[in-house]
Amino acid sequence: AQSVTQLDSQVPVFEEAPVELRCNYSSSVSVYLFWYVQYPNQGLQLLLKYLSGSTLVKGINGFEAEFNKSQTSFHLRKPSVHISDTAEYFCAVSESGGSNYKLTFGKGTLLTVNP
Amino acid sequence: NAGVTQTPKFQVLKTGQSMTLQCAQDMNHNSMYWYRQDPGMGLRLIYYSASEGTTDKGEVPNGYNVSRLNKREFSLRLESAAPSQTSVYFCASSLHPRGRDRKNIQYFGAGTRLSVL
Repeated sequence: AQSVTQLDSQVPVFEEAPVELRCNYSSSVSVYLFWYVQYPNQGLQLLLKYLSGSTLVKGINGFEAEFNKSQTSFHLRKPSVHISDTAEYFCAVSESGGSNYKLTFGKGTLLTVNP
Repeated sequence: NAGVTQTPKFQVLKTGQSMTLQCAQDMNHNSMYWYRQDPGMGLRLIYYSASEGTTDKGEVPNGYNVSRLNKREFSLRLESAAPSQTSVYFCASSLHPRGRDRKNIQYFGAGTRLSVL
């Protein structure tokens, strides 16, 4: 079985500061990794994904994440945040092979960007 | 460019009432999913349909039923609503191609906010 741990439930930062949202996963097989963003009162939107290849992946709105297999981590980063980045961010994992293709989500990290 | 469409957007029910949440996708995806989102719990899978004609239980199926009406539509039914089913419900779909590369990128609807009094 796979699982996802988002280490921080809330992250407050000031505008233009850098931010890192942490995600660790557990799985006995190879995985695909995802970050989704949910703006207030909206559905989830795919921010970025790691499927294979380069471990540094870039997404929308200036976000990037690095897959670290040895540390089983997939932390999300942005060098300078804006007020509009205020949202809840979800890390998710699915197995890359076999018959279990379900997506398992972390509990979310609420990013609040203050002026 | 509708993607995944959920109806209704909001619903208030009394305990014991029944209702069906509707979901339709126009991306020709094979797989569809129903999640519920509760504060501090993230998203939990209720039911999923790997392909037309199949449905399977997820993590929290009790109190729910589903129907994969056709390739486009996947409905979630609450037969006798309970206050514990107050939540935000999301439908999602993914291509789920057969073959060696199976990339489960899920696309979500805007959600249905359900309150059970």
